[in-house]
Order: sequence, then C-alpha cells, then structure tokens
Amino acid sequence: AQSVAQPEDQVNVAEGNPLTVKCTYSVSGNPYLFWYVQYPNRGLQFLLKYITGDNLVKGSYGFEAEFNKSQTSFHLKKPSALVSDSALYFCAVRGPTGRRALTFGSGTRLQVQP
Amino acid sequence: DVKVTQSSRYLVKRTGEKVFLECVQDMDHENMFWYRQDPGLGLRLIYFSYDVKMKEKGDIPEGYSVSREKKERFSLILESASTNQTSMYLCASSPGQWRNTEAFFGQGTRLTVV
Repeated sequence: AQSVAQPEDQVNVAEGNPLTVKCTYSVSGNPYLFWYVQYPNRGLQFLLKYITGDNLVKGSYGFEAEFNKSQTSFHLKKPSALVSDSALYFCAVRGPTGRRALTFGSGTRLQVQP
Repeated sequence: DVKVTQSSRYLVKRTGEKVFLECVQDMDHENMFWYRQDPGLGLRLIYFSYDVKMKEKGDIPEGYSVSREKKERFSLILESASTNQTSMYLCASSPGQWRNTEAFFGQGTRLTVV
C-alpha cells in the first residue's frame, strides 16, 4: 500500500520569506511524486513532479521541490513567498507498479501574511 | 490545454434522491477518476476507469457507482444520497501512458445533501 503524510495542517509565513511545505511518502519501489495547489472552491492545479533524475525539481509559479530518497520526503519550497501563494497544497504519490490513481496527503493550508 | 469539465459547481439534493455527477474530458484520455475531498482527509479515491465500460473500485466505493459509456465521459452515481455524502467531488483524467504523468482535474462539484 502507498501513503502520503503532510504533517502540518497549516503553515504561516510572512510575505518575502522562504516557505517550506512538508511531505513524506511510503511506497514500494521508486516513487513518482507530485504537488498540486487548490485555490478556494476550485479544482486542483498541477505544480510539479519528480519522476527520475535531479533531486531538485522546478515547477510553476516559482515553486520547487526536493526529493530525498533516504528520508522518503518531497518537500515543496519557494525562496520568497507571495500573498497570492495562500492556498491549499496537496502532495501525491504513485508507485512503479499497480495502482494508476494518485494517492494524496491530507493537504496543508499555506497562509502568507502581508 | 487539457480540459476536464464537471457539469455542476454546486448541487443541493435531498436524502434518498438518486444523484448524477457528470465529467467530460477533451484530451482522449484513457483513465478517468472520481475523488471526494473532505477537510483533514485530503482526496480519497471512489472509483476509476481505464477504458470504456471498464471500472475499478477505489478506497471508498460504498454508496456510489459509476458509468463510462463513452471515452470522454465518466459519471458518478449516488444511488440513494445520504447526508454523509455531503462533500466536494473531483473528477480527474490521465493519458494511457499514465505512469509518470500528472492527472488533470475538473473544477469540482460541491454537493450538499439535506
């Protein structure tokens, strides 16, 4: 079975400061990892993914994520937060075999204060 | 751009009603998914389909059924709506080469059962 943990329900950061949203995963074999963002009353928008190769992945809106195999983590980062980054963020995983559907974490609400 | 369209943004239904949620994608994707989203629980997979007329149960299929008569359309059916099915429902699709590809989401349907 595969699973994702997002240990923080909410992350608060001041505008202009760096932000990190944490994600750890459990899967058999090499993982395929994804980050999505959800704005109020909207669907999920894809931000970035790790498939293979460089552990630092760059995505949309200045976000990046670092894959760490030994710690089974895939934390989302941004060097300088914007108020408009305030939203709900979801980490998701898919294993190398079996289930086609993504398995999601519980989500982390990011609040960026002006 | 891939477009996944859900037929309603908001629905209010009465307990015991049969409810249909419709989803259409325009990118000829083989795989389609229905998730429900609840606060603190993230997204949970209800059903998915990998081809016309083919379906598989997800993690929480009880009280739901699905129909896929055409490749572009995937319907979620609540046979007899109950108040505990009040939730946000999200449809997604992904292509046949699904392993390292992100899923594309619709805008969601917020269903309230009274």
